[in-house]
Amino acid sequence: AQSVAQPEDQVNVAEGNPLTVKCTYSVSGNPYLFWYVQYPNRGLQFLLKYITGDNLVKGSYGFEAEFNKSQTSFHLKKPSALVSDSALYFCAVRDIGSQAGTALIFGKGTTLSVSS
Amino acid sequence: DTEVTQTPKHLVMGMTNKKSLKCEQHMGHRAMYWYKQKAKKPPELMFVYSYEKLSINESVPSRFSPECPNSSLLNLHLHALQPEDSALYLCASSHHGGELFFGEGSRLTVL
Repeated sequence: AQSVAQPEDQVNVAEGNPLTVKCTYSVSGNPYLFWYVQYPNRGLQFLLKYITGDNLVKGSYGFEAEFNKSQTSFHLKKPSALVSDSALYFCAVRDIGSQAGTALIFGKGTTLSVSS
Repeated sequence: DTEVTQTPKHLVMGMTNKKSLKCEQHMGHRAMYWYKQKAKKPPELMFVYSYEKLSINESVPSRFSPECPNSSLLNLHLHALQPEDSALYLCASSHHGGELFFGEGSRLTVL
């Protein structure tokens, strides 16, 4: 079965510093990986995805993620954090075992807090 | 137009009421989803529709009844809910194999 793990419940970083939100995955075949962000009382917003190709994926709002097959990781990064980046971040993997083949399975989420 | 629209944004209902949540997308996506999300928890998959046919039902109680009238619309009919069903209900759509686009959700409170 496919799964993702987000080992940190919360990440704290000062504004202007680089940030990393960690995600590891477990899949039986090739991973299809995604990052989403959720602001309070809002839906989930898509940030970026890895399907195939370059290991460094660039996404929305200056975020990027590095796919590392040997470490089965897909960490989210940003060179310089903003206070407005404070939100709940979800890593997700596509469940290719599902009938529709498109359902996403989400990690537990990591709360990012950026202080000014 | 990359938008999934959900109505109502907020809904309060008693345990004997019947209500419906609605979702609409005009991105030509043929997969549509209902997720349930409790506060600060990840979304939990409830139903998946593929080409207007129900393809996944994640053992959801029958008091939740999905409906896909056409390729742009997705409904979730609610009847005899329990207080523990109070949550944010998220609709999403996608091309098959692509990323999901989520609506802003309908926050349901069951009294």
